Amino acid sequence: AQKITQTQPGMFVQEKEAVTLDCTYDTSDPSYGLFWYKQPSSGEMIFLIYQGSYDQQNATEGRYSLNFQKARKSANLVISASQLGDSAMYFCAMRERRRALTFGSGTRLQVQP
Amino acid sequence: DTGVSQNPRHKITKRGQNVTFRCDPISEHNRLYWYRQTLGQGPEFLTYFQNEAQLEKSRLLSDRFSAERPKGSFSTLEIQRTEQGDSAMYLCASSPTGLPSPLHFGNGTRLTVT
Repeated sequence: AQKITQTQPGMFVQEKEAVTLDCTYDTSDPSYGLFWYKQPSSGEMIFLIYQGSYDQQNATEGRYSLNFQKARKSANLVISASQLGDSAMYFCAMRERRRALTFGSGTRLQVQP
Repeated sequence: DTGVSQNPRHKITKRGQNVTFRCDPISEHNRLYWYRQTLGQGPEFLTYFQNEAQLEKSRLLSDRFSAERPKGSFSTLEIQRTEQGDSAMYLCASSPTGLPSPLHFGNGTRLTVT
């Protein structure tokens, strides 16, 4: 069964606007972490933001914020004020205790001028 | 901290040959992971180590794949009797233990099997 689901294969956003990338997950472990990574066309995997299952507040890192809805098992990434350099693949991932990181299939974001 | 280093960057091999890749993690990280990624897909977990112990291996992983981390530092991933379906980017990552500990990825080894 899929542990991480990203239902948007591709997204377009206008420069300077905000965009939300969807992610739902499935786990029975009460302790887990959720991660978002960015992969530009150059190929490197860049860590963006982390949310722990026990964290009371949504994580934020600069223009990135994570909309964590635990009951719905969703962890959407919000990018504010999009820039051309934000064009990339974005992967949601989950790590359960003593397990490796499991990735979703990704969303390709294209920022248009 | 020089980051995660992978060698070689590219490998072209003929079907049926064996190949070996090397990963040098960030020195203070005791966890090391191998992933495989094909075009347009998310990284697929292969295996991971904590120090020299292999703690998890994907059930989907063929027995042609084997990985070692003999001294808890660098790791090697070997693919025996390569097949065209093995063509992919092989990514190595390292992290400390526990949460939150984001994985730090290397630039990968691109394998092409002809």
